[in-house]
Amino acid sequence: KAGVTQTPRYLIKTRGQQVTLSCSPISGHRSVSWYQQTPGQGLQFLFEYFSETQRNKGNFPGRFSGRQFSNSRSEMNVSTLELGDSALYLCASSFTRQGNLSPNTEAFFGQGTRLTVV
Amino acid sequence: AQKITQTQPGMFVQEKEAVTLDCTYDTSDPSYGLFWYKQPSSGEMIFLIYQGSYDQQNATEGRYSLNFQKARKSANLVISASQLGDSAMYFCAMREADTGGFKTIFGAGTRLFVKA
Repeated sequence: KAGVTQTPRYLIKTRGQQVTLSCSPISGHRSVSWYQQTPGQGLQFLFEYFSETQRNKGNFPGRFSGRQFSNSRSEMNVSTLELGDSALYLCASSFTRQGNLSPNTEAFFGQGTRLTVV
Repeated sequence: AQKITQTQPGMFVQEKEAVTLDCTYDTSDPSYGLFWYKQPSSGEMIFLIYQGSYDQQNATEGRYSLNFQKARKSANLVISASQLGDSAMYFCAMREADTGGFKTIFGAGTRLFVKA
């Protein structure tokens, strides 16, 4: 069974540009979460999607947005990039048995997209 | 306030010995899940072990066990018989209800170094 796939693996952008990152979850998983990881702030929750609906959102500015498609694949977009957006962006997928998210939903992570803003 | 606290930025352990990585959490929700993940230098987060707030017994997965002390709000990870390949960052995480859904919060991590 294929794992979570994130593309691209590495990305270099300049300030002011926008970027779109992609995440393909494990087959059968309907929940996708996004995280930003930086040395200073650690792992921070960005958003969580389930069946094309955003279920939760972290404390990030509106420049950060996401969506989920009917095949559960998800994209996140960052507009007007800033130097501080340089980070490892991790995507995680989860399987839900009854259609409801629960505390015991373990997440499987992709290898991440390393974004560098120059 | 920190919801997940990992007080050990770095830990050293001798190969084949056991090591305990500390984690304390803070929540008022009676239903929550606690997780440990391993992140090698490649960047991928690898799920290790899960403990539910209502679970009566400590979780175990191979060489990993979770020392769950609910009253103290601690969920320490114990790795037995350390191997060189265990050298990595280890993150404690808690999943709890949030507005409209659930949120997973991670600690700052502990970097484990296994010495030969």
